[in-house]
Amino acid sequence: GDSVTQMEGPVTLSEEAFLTINCTYTATGYPSLFWYVQYPGEGLQLLLKATKADDKGSNKGFEATYRKETTSFHLEKGSVQVSDSAVYFCALSDGSSNTGKLIFGQGTTLQVKP
Amino acid sequence: KAGVTQTPRYLIKTRGQQVTLSCSPISGHRSVSWYQQTPGQGLQFLFEYFSETQRNKGNFPGRFSGRQFSNSRSEMNVSTLELGDSALYLCASSLVIGLAGRETYEQYFGPGTRLTVT
Repeated sequence: GDSVTQMEGPVTLSEEAFLTINCTYTATGYPSLFWYVQYPGEGLQLLLKATKADDKGSNKGFEATYRKETTSFHLEKGSVQVSDSAVYFCALSDGSSNTGKLIFGQGTTLQVKP
Repeated sequence: KAGVTQTPRYLIKTRGQQVTLSCSPISGHRSVSWYQQTPGQGLQFLFEYFSETQRNKGNFPGRFSGRQFSNSRSEMNVSTLELGDSALYLCASSLVIGLAGRETYEQYFGPGTRLTVT
């Protein structure tokens, strides 16, 4: 079945460092890809999305490109801030059924130190 | 627009009891999905409702059930609670974008209900 694999965490960076969180997927059909962020004690917030191959999603300085040839959707940010500390989840929609079902990776905890 | 709301936020139950959680989606969203989040299993899909019909179901036992009302509000019920049901239960409502046959379900999550089973 469809699945998402994220790099293991936690990831610890200094403020203003470059961030990459790797995400690869296995899917049938034509899934859409998402990054969600979860702050302590809160639900998930949609960070960015891409709906087809070569699409680039971007928001709040974060970017990710839907790479069909490498089945990847890596999250990047050029300069992280302490406020970016959170858990990040890569997810794909169920491409075979095209409904409101998301399959998530295991999450990557990011800690940014001043 | 108001976001997705879930009630209650926190709940403590004992084994064998049953529990009902409620979710009010964003106005105009017809799809509501439920997820269970635990440290060990991560985020797992429970089920999805669309226009009062269950359209998708995850790999959970029959003790987990749900329904959706005509105003799109949804409830999920867990009967005969077990210790392993302790989790954060998240509800999401979907904004459907794109052309028919190539829709994307952009999901917006509520804050969750933290269920503790003792």
